[in-house]
Amino acid sequence: SSELTQDPAVSVALGQTVRITCQGDSLRTYYASWYQQKPGQAPLLVIYDRNNRPSGIPDRFSGSSSGNIASLTISESQAEDEADYYCSCRDSSGNHVVFGGGTRLTVL
Amino acid sequence: QVQLVQSGAEVKKPGASVKVSCKASGYTFTSYYMHWVRQAPGQGLEWMGRINPGGGSATYVKKFQGRVTMTRDTSTSTVYLELSSLRSEDTAVYYCARDRNDYLCDWGQGTLVTVSS
Repeated sequence: SSELTQDPAVSVALGQTVRITCQGDSLRTYYASWYQQKPGQAPLLVIYDRNNRPSGIPDRFSGSSSGNIASLTISESQAEDEADYYCSCRDSSGNHVVFGGGTRLTVL
Repeated sequence: QVQLVQSGAEVKKPGASVKVSCKASGYTFTSYYMHWVRQAPGQGLEWMGRINPGGGSATYVKKFQGRVTMTRDTSTSTVYLELSSLRSEDTAVYYCARDRNDYLCDWGQGTLVTVSS
């Protein structure tokens, strides 16, 4: 079982804002990172160190954190944002990495 | 630019071993940890462990200890994942990914390992 919990599925209307959450005790200590994965592709880092975007990631992607919950917010959602999203951080021991179970985002 | 190029798909019988490679380029190979993550068909991402290409030490998830070995060859900037005693549940896409301060900034294209009799 994962130490990070995500909702399995979320939907958003085209052009609207959606928040994807990730809950886990280790988030009180370590930053979350977020990965986007489209079918047949490798994961792509979209947010790191709570709210930093790698080069090339649109600024409609943002991250935040409060207590044991990390969030990924996508503003003005586009059709191409439809994907699986995974959160990740160190586990409670600090020695290993753990992923959330993933959230499938559908853009309506 | 950073590139991680993995070896091709493998088909193995139960009980066999598989060795997947990941050749890195575009950065100083020994300066960044490399992780291995797998994804079973239709499932989520599962972290397996990481290796320090500089010193060669590795950390594994307890679930795989005894069956997994991560190694590296600094002369070719390549890391390897070897998984033994394969079973059907090991059928998955295996990814290598470069670590940069606790996040995985670059990923290989993935290697499909199919375990079937």
